Amino acid sequence: SAVISQKPSRDICQRGTSLTIQCQVDSQVTMMFWYRQQPGQSLTLIATANQGSEATYESGFVIDKFPISRPNLTFSTLTVSNMSPEDSSIYLCSVDRLAGGFGELFFGEGSRLTVL
Amino acid sequence: GENVEQHPSTLSVQEGDSAVIKCTYSDSASNYFPWYKQELGKGPQLIIDIRSNVGEKKDQRIAVTLNKTAKHFSLHITETQPEDSAVYFCAASRAGANSKLTFGKGITLSVRP
Repeated sequence: SAVISQKPSRDICQRGTSLTIQCQVDSQVTMMFWYRQQPGQSLTLIATANQGSEATYESGFVIDKFPISRPNLTFSTLTVSNMSPEDSSIYLCSVDRLAGGFGELFFGEGSRLTVL
Repeated sequence: GENVEQHPSTLSVQEGDSAVIKCTYSDSASNYFPWYKQELGKGPQLIIDIRSNVGEKKDQRIAVTLNKTAKHFSLHITETQPEDSAVYFCAASRAGANSKLTFGKGITLSVRP
């Protein structure tokens, strides 16, 4: 299994500010995913981040709001921009154990954001 | 697209009893069905999965069954223990390049000591 580390684990942010979440994996992976889990809700895919190319965003999520970087095969960042209280969620980094498609997804512990 | 529904939303069982959590899916082309356990304050953890070429898979006290005709799959936990208390998510996808997991809404399982 992959070991995924996320920073910060939690933060309290002011409305209008931006926060960057880091995700570090202990092995090289092709596909990394960013999910959002709103309070008491399920997991919603924000975007897929592949090294060397632009992230692919799901419907309802845009690059200006959630810019993503993927500088190498073990690291990615997600920025939540111009935050509002509606952005209060758990943000989860995930990787696919198998290259090329959905094998087994492993998740980080999540970054719990509260926006005041 | 795929739609995964999970019932019930909460389940409470006595320690030692069995728990069954059911999910239905809509896309008949889906062929990969994982189950995740999320404990309070932690990320989801894959506990068992099944692919459409088998009808049942077991791992110690947990098992998953799949009925492709009816498009539903279930998680079975036997001899439940308090540490089984968590939120359980089912998911479905067409495994392969560019496929995406669709998650159910989750069920909160409480095991009463």
